[in-house]
Amino acid sequence: EVQLVESGGGLVQPGGSLRLSCAASGFTVSSNYMSWFRQAPGKGLEWVSVIYSGGNTYYADSVKGRFTISRDNSKNTLYLQMNSLRAEDTAVYYCARDGGTTWGYWGQGTLVTVSS
Amino acid sequence: DIQMTQSPSTLSASVGDRVTITCRASQSISTWLAWYQQKPGKAPKLLIYKASNLESGVPSRFSGSGSGTEFTLTISSLQPDDFATYYCQQYNSFYTFGQGTKLEIK
Repeated sequence: EVQLVESGGGLVQPGGSLRLSCAASGFTVSSNYMSWFRQAPGKGLEWVSVIYSGGNTYYADSVKGRFTISRDNSKNTLYLQMNSLRAEDTAVYYCARDGGTTWGYWGQGTLVTVSS
Repeated sequence: DIQMTQSPSTLSASVGDRVTITCRASQSISTWLAWYQQKPGKAPKLLIYKASNLESGVPSRFSGSGSGTEFTLTISSLQPDDFATYYCQQYNSFYTFGQGTKLEIK
């Protein structure tokens, strides 16, 4: 069974850093397209970053230069390193897997709050 | 960047109704379009991929159509479990969502 479990969210001050993790089971992270999405409180969904099976990475303009997506094949885990955090980065962050039909598998989400 | 516009933003309907949600892309995306259902506090659930393909396990009352820039999601006979927010998403060029359509009980 495919499972994605996010962790690492919490309260951080503006300008601070946080690393999110997405532990996967039931499939191999490195063989799949994996993405991070986010949803600000009461708002819609926004794509944040993707890492393709070949290792190429891409970012939304809103996070480019501040966020880094990566994966640890030995731990079968996806990461999102978030630096220079801003109030507008406050959101629930979801990891997702493209199982061949676009983003068919999602984690439960982890809340990031950027506030002083 | 490709922009996605959904209509309506809110839709009031009753159990048993047939409802349609529309999604327009700012440029042609062929059939690289997905529909998601999201309930409060939960992750999105994929319903339709490649504009008209039903994801495994999704009830057949859900259907999608369209190509190019105009797409629709239709629920043929609303069930109590269907009241939720629906999002379209293009994946022709990275990933962009519509603003969402909240389906409410009339």
